[in-house]
Amino acid sequence: DAKTTQPPSMDCAEGRAANLPCNHSTISGNEYVYWYRQIHSQGPQYIIHGLKNNETNEMASLIITEDRKSSTLILPHATLRDTAVYYCIPNPPGYGKLTFGQGTILTVHP
Amino acid sequence: DAGVTQSPTHLIKTRGQQVTLRCSPKSGHDTVSWYQQALGQGPQFIFQYYEEEERQRGNFPDRFSGHQFPNYSSELNVNALLLGDSALYLCASSRGLALSDTQYFGPGTRLTVL
Repeated sequence: DAKTTQPPSMDCAEGRAANLPCNHSTISGNEYVYWYRQIHSQGPQYIIHGLKNNETNEMASLIITEDRKSSTLILPHATLRDTAVYYCIPNPPGYGKLTFGQGTILTVHP
Repeated sequence: DAGVTQSPTHLIKTRGQQVTLRCSPKSGHDTVSWYQQALGQGPQFIFQYYEEEERQRGNFPDRFSGHQFPNYSSELNVNALLLGDSALYLCASSRGLALSDTQYFGPGTRLTVL
C-alpha cells in the first residue's frame, strides 16, 4: 500500500477555499487517489477520486500533480459543516481494502 | 435510493460474549466490507465479502467472522469479546470487484464491551 502524508490539522475561514494537501510519493501507476471525510461519530463519506487528471464534482475538486506524487483536495467555499477529518487514500481498482491513515482534521471557523 | 444501513446503532456487551452486527448495502451494490474504528484512530479493514465469499481479510483474529446472504446483506460476528473490541464498526458497500469501485459507508454500530 502506498504511504500517505497529510498535515495533522488545518484551519479555514467560512466561505473561503480549503486546500488540503496529501503526499503519496510511493503511489503505483494503477492506484487511484480517493478522498473521504468523516464527520464526528459518523461513517466516512466519499468525496472524490482520480487517477491522473484533475476531477471536479459537486462537493470538491481534486488536483493531482503530473508525477502523481501528491494531490490537493479543494473545497471551494468551506462551510461549518465541512469540519471533519479528511483522508487521502491511494487504492488500486478492484482492491477492496481501504487503508486509512491519520488524516487531516479540518476546522472551519465562522 | 437507500444508502448503506446498519443495525443496531449501539450495543453493550460484556467480556466473553458474542455479538452479531448487520449491514444492508446500498441499492445496486453486491460487495460488502467491514471496518473497525477504535477511538481516535482511522478505520481498519476487517474483511470483504463478494458472491457470499470472503475475498480479502485484514489482520484480525478468527474471532471475527462474517457472512453474506444471497440478497447481498452481511453480518459480522465477533466471539469471545474482549475489552479491546470496543469500537465503531463500519460497513461499506460497493459494486463489484473489477472496477474503480467506490465504497460507501454506513453510519456504523457503536459496540461497548464492559
